Amino acid sequence: AQSVTQLGSHVSVSEGALVLLRCNYSSSVPPYLFWYVQYPNQGLQLLLKYTTGATLVKGINGFEAEFKKSETSFHLTKPSAHMSDAAEYFCAVSDRASNTGKLIFGQGTTLQVKP
Amino acid sequence: EAGVAQSPRYKIIEKRQSVAFWCNPISGHATLYWYQQILGQGPKLLIQFQNNGVVDDSQLPKDRFSAERLKGVDSTLKIQPAKLEDSAVYLCASSLVGLGTQYFGPGTRLTVL
Repeated sequence: AQSVTQLGSHVSVSEGALVLLRCNYSSSVPPYLFWYVQYPNQGLQLLLKYTTGATLVKGINGFEAEFKKSETSFHLTKPSAHMSDAAEYFCAVSDRASNTGKLIFGQGTTLQVKP
Repeated sequence: EAGVAQSPRYKIIEKRQSVAFWCNPISGHATLYWYQQILGQGPKLLIQFQNNGVVDDSQLPKDRFSAERLKGVDSTLKIQPAKLEDSAVYLCASSLVGLGTQYFGPGTRLTVL
């Protein structure tokens, strides 16, 4: 069965510092990979996704993620954190074989940005 | 373009009571999902519809949860009777097709006392 592990339930960075949120997946076949952001009392918003092709994926708000098959990872980065980036971030996978679009989410990482 | 609508936004009930949530997906989206998000966890899929048919309900506790999407548009999720462990945010999402980007509604926060 597929699973997603997000390392670190809380990450704190200073404004302007690099943001790195870690995600590893477990799957016999590389799945589709996603990062979602959730602001307080709101639904989830897609930041970026990897389906095929270039392994470095650029998303909204200056975020990007790199799919590394050998490491079964899909870490999310942003060169310079902004106060507005403070939110909950979820990594998710979807099984290529079943093709249903069902998402399996990690536990989430809360990003705190300090002034 | 209007997003995914959900109501109510908040609901407080006592255990053993019944509750229903409503979701209206983005117009034209064939696929609709209900997720349960318990505090401190990622969302977990409860049920997926393709038009008015069920694609996946393997994690739906069918002894107490039910869902329908009769006309292939809006959907309702019901819990009866509710248990304390059902306290969570219930998220509805829709996509144009099964593998398309999922757009999430704001969720319904359920508190069971």
